[in-house]
Amino acid sequence: DAGITQSPRHKVTETGTPVTLRCHQTENHRYMYWYRQDPGHGLRLIHYSYGVKDTDKGEVSDGYSVSRSKTEDFLLTLESATSSQTSVYFCAISFAGGRQETQYFGPGTRLLVL
Amino acid sequence: TQLLEQSPQFLSIQEGENLTVYCNSSSVFSSLQWYRQEPGEGPVLLVTVVTGGEVKKLKRLTFQFGDARKDSSLHITAAQPGDTGLYLCAGAYNNNDMRFGAGTRLTVKP
Repeated sequence: DAGITQSPRHKVTETGTPVTLRCHQTENHRYMYWYRQDPGHGLRLIHYSYGVKDTDKGEVSDGYSVSRSKTEDFLLTLESATSSQTSVYFCAISFAGGRQETQYFGPGTRLLVL
Repeated sequence: TQLLEQSPQFLSIQEGENLTVYCNSSSVFSSLQWYRQEPGEGPVLLVTVVTGGEVKKLKRLTFQFGDARKDSSLHITAAQPGDTGLYLCAGAYNNNDMRFGAGTRLTVKP
């Protein structure tokens, strides 16, 4: 298994509160990704990173921000959580560039926004 | 509207049966990946197909990429309960974008 951990694994929060999810990897992979998974939509890319302090937006980036100050950590922040952000969030990493490369996924974080 | 349509959405079969699931798009893929996801876990890559018409086999699983690179299929022979899971396809496009389908949820009953 790729060394990817996500924390927390489960979180319940209230609308309007900030939330930060953490992805930690021990593989020293350059590329890291945040996805959300919702029924009927599959996985949708929120943001990705191609190096320390190098990030870019994905398909559904509104309401989310990210930071990557170290190779091993990629943080996803919901500045003011909304009920529409209730979802399962997955972090992924890849060794090579390009989203066509093999991505290794973490175990996910289940977020409920009340 | 999903860029990639997977069908069927749900499939429940008995152990030993064969099945095929599909991934279709109106767009051309530069490559396509199949993943399997078990409950409470992240997706795990099964295969990547790149060439139109390509067929890859992984034990009892056969993956085919359409000649026009717009569709793909996954065939499982003699399904086992361990094959139960959510099967996702992910298509990569020439602009370096990649999109996932919503998945086929397979249940194999003993």
